[in-house]
Amino acid sequence: QQQVKQSPQSLIVQKGGISIINCAYENTAFDYFPWYQQFPGKGPALLIAIRPDVSEKKEGRFTISFNKSAKQFSLHIMDSQPGDSATYFCAASGSSGGSNYKLTFGKGTLLTVNP
Amino acid sequence: NAGVTQTPKFQVLKTGQSMTLQCAQDMNHNSMYWYRQDPGMGLRLIYYSASEGTTDKGEVPNGYNVSRLNKREFSLRLESAAPSQTSVYFCASKRTGELFFGEGSRLTVL
Repeated sequence: QQQVKQSPQSLIVQKGGISIINCAYENTAFDYFPWYQQFPGKGPALLIAIRPDVSEKKEGRFTISFNKSAKQFSLHIMDSQPGDSATYFCAASGSSGGSNYKLTFGKGTLLTVNP
Repeated sequence: NAGVTQTPKFQVLKTGQSMTLQCAQDMNHNSMYWYRQDPGMGLRLIYYSASEGTTDKGEVPNGYNVSRLNKREFSLRLESAAPSQTSVYFCASKRTGELFFGEGSRLTVL
């Protein structure tokens, strides 16, 4: 049972455009929703995260939009740059502060930003 | 800052051979994790350790064993490697919700 569904699998955007990646979750106990960015040959790294008490979080060109009732959240990359080309993973977890913390990841989106 | 260090970075095994992937972190984190990454499958949790002396199964534990040797080190062992275990393995440690990943160990089982 896939608990976090991510789409699209791949995305091609022109430089300066907006990249949008969507995720949906099933477990209503999830209370922490991070996005990880992974460059080729590297491990994933935390990009931005949100908790369900807010509907949007913005950090620079990156924004998470969160819809609790629909159990969906998305990553928007404004003014996309070639350096943003990477694989993006959404994830979800419950008990983020506890010792039993486990992240469930989506399958990933390969973003290519053309110059 | 070394962060999370994994060894080896690359390994080729024959079916039935055994090996251990090593992971060490220098951030004094309590929790550590092993994930595998396969094309189109995302990151799947194999085992995790919430603290020194404890380990628990994740989503795909079959065929693997782990040891939390001390607070710094968390190793993953394949007792009898199978081609289905060909993957990239990532170790991670946690600080207040954020996972810090190593650069991965690419394992091929022939």
